[in-house]
Amino acid sequence: GQNIDQPTEMTATEGAIVQINCTYQTSGFNGLFWYQQHAGEAPTFLSYNVLDGLEEKGRFSSFLSRSKGYSYLLLKELQMKDSASYLCAVRDQARGYSTLTFGKGTMLLVSP
Amino acid sequence: DGGITQSPKYLFRKEGQNVTLSCEQNLNHDAMYWYRQDPGQGLRLIYYSQIVNDFQKGDIAEGYSVSREKKESFPLTVTSAQKNPTAFYLCASSMTFRVSNQPQHFGDGTRLSIL
Repeated sequence: GQNIDQPTEMTATEGAIVQINCTYQTSGFNGLFWYQQHAGEAPTFLSYNVLDGLEEKGRFSSFLSRSKGYSYLLLKELQMKDSASYLCAVRDQARGYSTLTFGKGTMLLVSP
Repeated sequence: DGGITQSPKYLFRKEGQNVTLSCEQNLNHDAMYWYRQDPGQGLRLIYYSQIVNDFQKGDIAEGYSVSREKKESFPLTVTSAQKNPTAFYLCASSMTFRVSNQPQHFGDGTRLSIL
């Protein structure tokens, strides 16, 4: 089976940096996705990692260590609009290439 | 503009009634998915379809049914057998199931409540 763990909530201040961690256990890891979801809205794709290392995309970066079953999403220069839930999702070969398993999400609150 | 359209945005169901949630995409994507989201829970996969006229059960398929007669459309029926249907339902699509780095793109969701 799969197990994906993320912190439930985090708080940070506008302009700061925050790191949201995700740990996972899979039988056939084949990629990890991060999504952002504002309350009552659709999740939107942020980043994808399949190899170890850091992927940078503007203010957002995502890191993966396959040997540790660990990823993090790094948000820099936080803005109020970054207040949202951040979802970690893993693709597992054992479940087929189509499907993702999602963590419960980390609710980030950015304060002035 | 290409995208995924879910309708209606809000839906109310009476006890013992079946309801159908619509999902249409004009992205020319092969694969489509239905998820359920409850407060404090992650997205849970109900059904998915990799290609027209084919679909597979996800983790929580009981009480739901789907069809995939056209590439663009993947409607979800919540049957009376689903005892706790109140949730936020999200439809998604991805270009193909064969390439692992393709992200899933989501519709705006349908919020279903029981009267």
